[in-house]
Amino acid sequence: AQSVTQLGSHVSVSEGALVLLRCNYSSSVPPYLFWYVQYPNQGLQLLLKYTTGATLVKGINGFEAEFKKSETSFHLTKPSAHMSDAAEYFCAVWGGGFKTIFGAGTRLFVKA
Amino acid sequence: SAVISQKPSRDICQRGTSLTIQCQVDSQVTMMFWYRQQPGQSLTLIATANQGSEATYESGFVIDKFPISRPNLTFSTLTVSNMSPEDSSIYLCSVEGTGTGTYNEQFFGPGTRLTVL
Repeated sequence: AQSVTQLGSHVSVSEGALVLLRCNYSSSVPPYLFWYVQYPNQGLQLLLKYTTGATLVKGINGFEAEFKKSETSFHLTKPSAHMSDAAEYFCAVWGGGFKTIFGAGTRLFVKA
Repeated sequence: SAVISQKPSRDICQRGTSLTIQCQVDSQVTMMFWYRQQPGQSLTLIATANQGSEATYESGFVIDKFPISRPNLTFSTLTVSNMSPEDSSIYLCSVEGTGTGTYNEQFFGPGTRLTVL
């Protein structure tokens, strides 16, 4: 069975500061891992994903995430936050069975 | 990638009534997924809809409450029946990517925001 835990339902950073959103997963098979972003009144869109290969993956809008198997983590980072990054972020895992499991989400606030 | 549209985008309904949500995809897909996102919460999978077969419902969701149709490879509907205020949520339609490099990636519609009074 797969599960996803996102640490912190809300994260607040200042504009220009580092963004770090934490995600830990559990999977009985090698997982595919995803980060999705949801802007207000919109559906989810993919930020980045890890399937195989390089453990540091880069996504859109300057975000990146590193797959650490030993820590079962897939934390999302961005060196410098922008006001437009304010949104809800969901970590997700696919471990077979045609289902993607989503974390509870982390709302990112960016202060001017 | 896949472009997904949903209708209606939002609705306000009276308890005891039903609402049918439509999902249209711009390409043929095998599976379509329906999710519920309750206020301030994550996505919960309601069911998976395959063309030509009965939908597969997740634990806690039943066909009588959430009947699903899948008449072809680009279209699906979800009905929320006999609604109560607890059904107030965003309902999202989703498909998996089928193109090179998009396998297991999900594409989402904009959602239907439902309020039940």
